[in-house]
Amino acid sequence: GAVVSQHPSWVICKSGTSVKIECRSLDFQATTMFWYRQFPKQSLMLMATSNEGSKATYEQGVEKDKFLINHASLTLSTLTVTSAHPEDSSFYICSAIGDLRNQPQHFGDGTRLSIL
Amino acid sequence: EDQVTQSPEALRLQEGESSSLNCSYTVSGLRGLFWYRQDPGKGPEFLFTLYSAGEEKEKERLKATLTKKESFLHITAPKPEDSATYLCAVQPPAGNKLTFGGGTRVLVKP
Repeated sequence: GAVVSQHPSWVICKSGTSVKIECRSLDFQATTMFWYRQFPKQSLMLMATSNEGSKATYEQGVEKDKFLINHASLTLSTLTVTSAHPEDSSFYICSAIGDLRNQPQHFGDGTRLSIL
Repeated sequence: EDQVTQSPEALRLQEGESSSLNCSYTVSGLRGLFWYRQDPGKGPEFLFTLYSAGEEKEKERLKATLTKKESFLHITAPKPEDSATYLCAVQPPAGNKLTFGGGTRVLVKP
């Protein structure tokens, strides 16, 4: 149980393109989803927290106009990297949590984004 | 601000050579401490949650313990398939956000 699917797993695109990443909870309802960014050999840095039906809460230093997050249903959140540039290249990972107390976050397998 | 420090950064073990990973934390309050395993190019996989000092949890060759200032992940008689990065994270009393440590990269050689 508690499977989180992330798509695509790898994307390469040209500078200036907008890229959408999907995060789905397959077998539970995710009241909250999280988006992280991870650089090589570094730990996970939280970018934003999203709750179904409400605006995402962004961490300090994360540009909300650059990283658009939509959590339209209890099983789907999307992260759109707008007008991506090479410095946006990274490994993006989502996680989801249900509505029961003391549940761990369950993570997707990440999306490797490369901007040329 | 919550801080989590993991040591060592990297650990090379021979198969069967037991060892421990450390996770030290400074928090204003702790609801839970989490251990995850991450393989290259993958998302973290949940291992354990610890809630109070003195608590221990085991899964196969892994055992996690918790004190008021740190947690240990003991790997007993590791096998090559235990090679991964092990991450710990703390959760505050309110909310579900996690603060992660930098991770320990473990390589178990046959």
